[in-house]
Amino acid sequence: ETGVTQTPRHLVMGMTNKKSLKCEQHLGHNAMYWYKQSAKKPLELMFVYSLEERVENNSVPSRFSPECPNSSHLFLHLHTLQPEDSALYLCASSQERGGLGEQFFGPGTRLTVL
Amino acid sequence: AQSVTQPDIHITVSEGASLELRCNYSYGATPYLFWYVQSPGQGLQLLLKYFSGDTLVQGIKGFEAEFKRSQSSFNLRKPSVHWSDAAEYFCAVGAELTGGGNKLTFGTGTQLKVEL
Repeated sequence: ETGVTQTPRHLVMGMTNKKSLKCEQHLGHNAMYWYKQSAKKPLELMFVYSLEERVENNSVPSRFSPECPNSSHLFLHLHTLQPEDSALYLCASSQERGGLGEQFFGPGTRLTVL
Repeated sequence: AQSVTQPDIHITVSEGASLELRCNYSYGATPYLFWYVQSPGQGLQLLLKYFSGDTLVQGIKGFEAEFKRSQSSFNLRKPSVHWSDAAEYFCAVGAELTGGGNKLTFGTGTQLKVEL
């Protein structure tokens, strides 16, 4: 595997389910990101992890819970979601410093909440 | 706070025609600027970036962009569009985070359609 991978690519869940999104980067980076992409809205930065520490949390509801066990893996745990949470969730990675901000994106997980 | 405006939601061009996608930014210091492209069902791919130096930046797939500080703009151009360029294009401004990593603020995107 190369670059940034995300699983699953598609997920349908009910409002009472608990699921997790997984992201893995194979680029030797040590900063990782979750974004939400909804129709007709700019990409929204949700969480940033640098050296496995959370450094940014953009007022995201607590029903989204991130986890970064090491610099290569990032999870987004989901529980009691709402239909408006349906979106494309993108993971990205970058160098913690010195990479001049270039972020590499995964293909995303298309989430549908029923 | 930083922000990005892409005034054109949709643009249609004929194959072989030239292209210019507009981007205006708001940022207090010298900006880090990016253009990304997203094909259907895919993540974002970096086309080019500007950090400093030459204001005309060359990217992949024959794209270029020009940074104009006086106009707070970073427009994307291509001399001759190919049908495979049909996609959504995002302009972004970046800033380093105090705790590490970087924060990208994106525009709403421009959907490019190419007519054969």
